[in-house]
Amino acid sequence: SQQGEEDPQALSIQEGENATMNCSYKTSINNLQWYRQNSGRGLVHLILIRSNEREKHSGRLRVTLDTSKKSSSLLITASRAADTASYFCATDAVQAGTALIFGKGTTLSVSS
Amino acid sequence: DTAVSQTPKYLVTQMGNDKSIKCEQNLGHDTMYWYKQDSKKFLKIMFSYNNKELIINETVPNRFSPKSPDKAHLNLHINSLELGDSAVYFCASTEGQGLYEQYFGPGTRLTVT
Repeated sequence: SQQGEEDPQALSIQEGENATMNCSYKTSINNLQWYRQNSGRGLVHLILIRSNEREKHSGRLRVTLDTSKKSSSLLITASRAADTASYFCATDAVQAGTALIFGKGTTLSVSS
Repeated sequence: DTAVSQTPKYLVTQMGNDKSIKCEQNLGHDTMYWYKQDSKKFLKIMFSYNNKELIINETVPNRFSPKSPDKAHLNLHINSLELGDSAVYFCASTEGQGLYEQYFGPGTRLTVT
């Protein structure tokens, strides 16, 4: 089945630096979403970008979507220790009904 | 107020047992899901219900049976538990038929010994 793939799998940065995570997917989508998962917790929705949008901002988050390359990126600016978490992209592929297809995630570690 | 709640949070049981995980959402959403997250953090859809009707049933052993008594609840029953069932199970909900953000519960960590 279709699946998103995040890159890199793990990322370690210092507080104040920017963190960029990439996601690629395989088939047509309605929208792409990014979620954060803190250790031992549930997933929290961060941002949703629709297939006809190219860029979206929310606070320190910036998401881009390139449907021609079937890829998306999540940029976290001025990172904080509290941003330490796993980040997942999820697509609702047209063929998949209403379920989300998740990538494997990027584990971000922000040290102070 | 808790939006999506699951019970129990932890479940340790022996192989062959039957167990249930409960999920409730107070968001008034129409669609609910069960996802399974394995030890490598890979999340995979198991079931999807819309207004108490089964919409998606991925390739899941028939030992797993979801039950939705009303649109605010989606419970997961697992019969004859196996070691490979050990994982974290997440319930989620969304409004309408999907295409919106999903709200996840805190997860239930199932350990089968």
